[in-house]
Amino acid sequence: AQKITQTQPGMFVQEKEAVTLDCTYDTSDPSYGLFWYKQPSSGEMIFLIYQGSYDQQNATEGRYSLNFQKARKSANLVISASQLGDSAMYFCAMRARNSGYSTLTFGKGTMLLVSP
Amino acid sequence: ETGVTQSPTHLIKTRGQQVTLRCSSQSGHNTVSWYQQALGQGPQFIFQYYREEENGRGNFPPRFSGLQFPNYSSELNVNALELDDSALYLCASSLMSDTQYFGPGTRLTVL
Repeated sequence: AQKITQTQPGMFVQEKEAVTLDCTYDTSDPSYGLFWYKQPSSGEMIFLIYQGSYDQQNATEGRYSLNFQKARKSANLVISASQLGDSAMYFCAMRARNSGYSTLTFGKGTMLLVSP
Repeated sequence: ETGVTQSPTHLIKTRGQQVTLRCSSQSGHNTVSWYQQALGQGPQFIFQYYREEENGRGNFPPRFSGLQFPNYSSELNVNALELDDSALYLCASSLMSDTQYFGPGTRLTVL
C-alpha cells in the first residue's frame, strides 16, 4: 500500500520569500511517480510538478522545484519568490501502479498563506 | 486545447436520492479517473475508466458506478445517497497512466 504524509497543516510566508512544503511517502514499488498539485479555494486541482522515481535530477518548473531525496523517501516542494496568488492548499500525491491501472494517492495537504 | 470540464458545479440532494455527475476529458486523453474529496481531506480514488471500461476501483461501495462514452467523457452515478456522500467530486483525465489533469469539481451536498 502507498502512503503520503504531509505534516504541516499550515504554512505562512511573506511575499517574495521562498517556502518549502514537506512530503514523505511510503511504497514498496520500485517504480513510482510523485506529484504536487495546488488547490485554490475554487476547488480545481492544478498540476504543478512531477518527479519520477528513476529521475536523476530534481524536477523544476518555473518557480517550483521538487527536492527529491529517495533514501529518505521525501519529495518536498520548494516555491521560490512567493506571490499572493500562491495562497492555496497544496497536495503531494504518488502514482501507484496496480494491475492494469494507475491511481493517485494523496496526502492531507498543506494550506499556504502568503502575506504582503 | 480544451481542459477538463465538469457539470454541474454545485448540487443539493436529499438522502436516498440518486445523482449523476458529468465530466468531459481533455482533448487527446483516453482515461478518466474520479475522486471524492471530503472537507479537510485529500482526494480519495473512486474508480478509473479506460476505453469505456472500468479498469480500477477504490474502496467505494457498488452504489457508486460510472460510465465512459466513446468520446471519453464520463459520468459518475451515486444511488441511495447518504449524508457522508457530501463532498467535492473531482474528475481527472489523462493519456493512460500519464499525468492526471483535474476539472473544477462538483460540490455535492446531501441533506
